[in-house]
Amino acid sequence: ELKVEQNPLFLSMQEGKNYTIYCNYSTTSDRLYWYRQDPGKSLESLFVLLSNGAVKQEGRLMASLDTKARLSTLHITAAVHDLSATYFCAALPTSGSRLTFGEGTQLTVNP
Amino acid sequence: DTAVSQTPKYLVTQMGNDKSIKCEQNLGHDTMYWYKQDSKKFLKIMFSYNNKELIINETVPNRFSPKSPDKAHLNLHINSLELGDSAVYFCASSSQGPSWNYGYTFGSGTRLTVV
Repeated sequence: ELKVEQNPLFLSMQEGKNYTIYCNYSTTSDRLYWYRQDPGKSLESLFVLLSNGAVKQEGRLMASLDTKARLSTLHITAAVHDLSATYFCAALPTSGSRLTFGEGTQLTVNP
Repeated sequence: DTAVSQTPKYLVTQMGNDKSIKCEQNLGHDTMYWYKQDSKKFLKIMFSYNNKELIINETVPNRFSPKSPDKAHLNLHINSLELGDSAVYFCASSSQGPSWNYGYTFGSGTRLTVV
C-alpha cells in the first residue's frame, strides 16, 4: 500500500525567506501532484509531475520529482503572506488508480 | 460553470438522522470519488466509481452508501449519523488513462456537523 509522508507538518516563516517542503512516498510512483488548500476552501491543483527529474515552477513555488529517491519537493522562494495555506502532495502508484495524500503542510507566512 | 459541484455546502444535523450529499461533474470524467477530511486536515479516500461501477470501497462503516446513477453523478448517503462523522466531505473526479496528467478535480466540499 502506498504511503505518503510530508514534512514539516507545520511551517511558520517570515516574508522574504526561502523554505522547502518534502514529500516522501513508499512505493513506485511516477505521478506526483501538489495541491493548495486555503482555510474552508477546496483543493486547488498546483503542479503535476509525471516523470523522474520533472521540475515545474509557478511564481514563487517550484516543485520537483525524484522517482529514484521517491521524493518530491516544493520550494518556496521569498515567501509572501498570500502563500499562507495548507499544501498537500499526493502520489498515484504506477499500477493503480488511488491517489494517496500526504498529511499536509500548514504554512503560515508572517510579515 | 462549476466543474465539480457538491450540495449542500454545510449540513448540521442531529445524531441518528439520515442525510445525503450530492455531487455532479460536468467535465466528462469517467471516475468519481468521495474523500473525507478530518479535523486534522487528513484526506482519506472512501469510495470511487468508474462509469457507475464501484472500484474502491475503503473500510468505512456500512452506514455510508455511495450511489452513482450515471458517470456524472456520485451521491453519498449516510444512515444513523454519529458524532464522529463530523468532517468535511469532498467529491472529486478524474479521467483515467492519459488524462492522469491532470490529476483530480475537487468539489468545494460539504462540512457536516453532527450534534
